[in-house]
Amino acid sequence: KNEVEQSPQNLTAQEGEFITINCSYSVGISALHWLQQHPGGGIVSLFMLSSGKKKHGRLIATINIQEKHSSLHITASHPRDSAVYICAVRSMGGATNKLIFGTGTLLAVQP
Amino acid sequence: DGGITQSPKYLFRKEGQNVTLSCEQNLNHDAMYWYRQDPGQGLRLIYYSQIVNDFQKGDIAEGYSVSREKKESFPLTVTSAQKNPTAFYLCASSIVGSGVRFTGELFFGEGSRLTVL
Repeated sequence: KNEVEQSPQNLTAQEGEFITINCSYSVGISALHWLQQHPGGGIVSLFMLSSGKKKHGRLIATINIQEKHSSLHITASHPRDSAVYICAVRSMGGATNKLIFGTGTLLAVQP
Repeated sequence: DGGITQSPKYLFRKEGQNVTLSCEQNLNHDAMYWYRQDPGQGLRLIYYSQIVNDFQKGDIAEGYSVSREKKESFPLTVTSAQKNPTAFYLCASSIVGSGVRFTGELFFGEGSRLTVL
C-alpha cells in the first residue's frame, strides 16, 4: 500500500462544477503539499499545509491531521484547470527535505 | 525572473550511452533535487544535495550520478548502467531547514523527457 493515496485517479468535469480531490496518507507528517503539473510537465506548488485550511483564488485546501486526510477543492472550474494534481507529504523523522508523492489525479474540465 | 531551468527538454539516447541533464537555479537555494516520474507512479527521488560539494542518494540512485560544484548547478548523468532510463526527469530546489516546523516549499523546473532508442 502506498503511503500517499489520491482519489480519484481520473476526473472529468464540466466547466463551472465544484471539484474535490482527496489525499490520504499513512505516516506522521510535518507538512502536506498540493502541486499542479501542467500538460507540458512543469510542476508548480499550490499549497503547503500543516493544519486547517488555505484558500487562493478558486482553490481551497484543507487538512485533518487526526484523520490523515487532505482535500483540494476547485470552485467554478474552468478548462484551464485541466492538469494533474499531486499530493505530497513531508514525513516526520525522515530526511529533512524528503517528500513522499501520490500518483496524482488527472483532471479534465470540459467547456 | 528567478527560477529553475532544465535542459534539454527532450533527449534521445542510444543504449549504452551516458547522457547528462542540466539543472540551473537562480533562487539562491541551497538544496537541489532530482526526481524521476513514470506513468502511474509518484515522483521518486534520485539524488539530492543540501550544500555545495555534497550530495546524498535518494530512493533510486542506481545507474545515476550527480555533481554539485556550484550552488546554482546540479547536473544529473544517466549512465549506461541504468537499466530503464526512459522517463521524465524533474529538477527541484528549496531552502534548507530543519525540525518539525520546516515545510520547505519546492520549486520545480519544466522537466526533461529522456527516451532510449
